[in-house]
Amino acid sequence: RKEVEQDPGPFNVPEGATVAFNCTYSNSASQSFFWYRQDCRKEPKLLMSVYSSGNEDGRFTAQLNRASQYISLLIRDSKLSDSATYLCVVGDYGQNFVFGPGTRLSVLP
Amino acid sequence: ETGVTQTPRHLVMGMTNKKSLKCEQHLGHNAMYWYKQSAKKPLELMFVYSLEERVENNSVPSRFSPECPNSSHLFLHLHTLQPEDSALYLCASSQGVGPGGGYTFGSGTRLTVV
Repeated sequence: RKEVEQDPGPFNVPEGATVAFNCTYSNSASQSFFWYRQDCRKEPKLLMSVYSSGNEDGRFTAQLNRASQYISLLIRDSKLSDSATYLCVVGDYGQNFVFGPGTRLSVLP
Repeated sequence: ETGVTQTPRHLVMGMTNKKSLKCEQHLGHNAMYWYKQSAKKPLELMFVYSLEERVENNSVPSRFSPECPNSSHLFLHLHTLQPEDSALYLCASSQGVGPGGGYTFGSGTRLTVV
């Protein structure tokens, strides 16, 4: 089993749609969780950290379920500029971060 | 300059060449990383340095040799590479683990081995 797995994608959605990505992780000792976004031929950039209680940043909502070992990212009212690959990242105590393979999102006009 | 800076942005090298990739971070972070991103594959961790000590080496071939002379600089020395080593090489830095942590990436070096 891979350490971090994500929805295979790609997701093609119309502007204004709500889209959700899921990510599962295998290491139950994982301590930190993030969503990164990577535009084509660019470096990954931190989108948001994921906290135990769940957190929201504008149109983006992240949830963590430790019991089931998954995190999710919900994007509401999607914009064309949201088109990118979304990477789930899980970290342990040792400053080791494991990246998921990413889920590509295309928001269509 | 701010953030994480990588040079060069693009590199084409023959299989017998020796070259080095450079990374510099201006964030005061205490850990630096080299990642490899090949087409259609997840990011692969290559090396981790924490407080200038190498703490992780994920079975990377010896033709890749990292160097961390201080907490702000990281190098990746390359020699006798293979065409399958062509990829985007990303440097990142971080300050600890936990909420609010995470990586700051450089823009990467796109390496082509011919």
